[in-house]
Amino acid sequence: QVQLQQWGAGLLKPAETLSLTCAVSGGSFSAYYWTWIRQPPGKGLEWIGEINHSGSTSYNPSLKSRVTISVDTSKNQFSLKLTSVHAADTAVYYCARTLGADCSSTSCPFVYWGQGTLVTVS
Amino acid sequence: SSELTQDPAVSVALGQTVRITCQGDSLRRYYTSWYQQKPGQAPLLVIYGKNNRPSGIPDRFSGSSSGNTASLTITGAQAEDEADYYCNSRDTIGNHPYVIFGGGTKLTVL
Repeated sequence: QVQLQQWGAGLLKPAETLSLTCAVSGGSFSAYYWTWIRQPPGKGLEWIGEINHSGSTSYNPSLKSRVTISVDTSKNQFSLKLTSVHAADTAVYYCARTLGADCSSTSCPFVYWGQGTLVTVS
Repeated sequence: SSELTQDPAVSVALGQTVRITCQGDSLRRYYTSWYQQKPGQAPLLVIYGKNNRPSGIPDRFSGSSSGNTASLTITGAQAEDEADYYCNSRDTIGNHPYVIFGGGTKLTVL
């Protein structure tokens, strides 16, 4: 059974850097998109960005200037860094894995999710 | 910009059928996925692709699509189906892939 376990600092001050890591167990690390998604309190889901096993990334244009997603295949982990945080970045942050990497027939849904990390900027 | 539009709230009587819709131009090009989210929990994938259910999802959940509108149908809604439902798809901006979510629909089972 695939499991995603995430961790990182939960309280940040404005202008600091958010850093989260997601460890993957129970499955291959290749042939998927590894993704970060966030959800502000009481609001909807927002895609932050994704990376595949070879390190190719895509980011939400609204966050692109501040976001870096990286992967460490030797540890089966991937990470998120978001610089210069402010109050509007307060959210529950989720890591997630897609069903596969061929999106032509499925649009690559997110089938496995981490438990979520509440990050508060104050 | 790429957007997916959902009704903010929908209600259904226990045991009846409810349809939750999602509209967006990207749905003409890409399949829609649907997620159920209950308070304090991570989203749960319930429908993906043409009309596929992950293992463990009851067959009362089904999906369909026509043009720029995708629908999630719950046939015989149960009390445990009360939750927020999000649609999700992909698009491209220039040559760059982009993932989008609808704003969510709060389903109340009466």
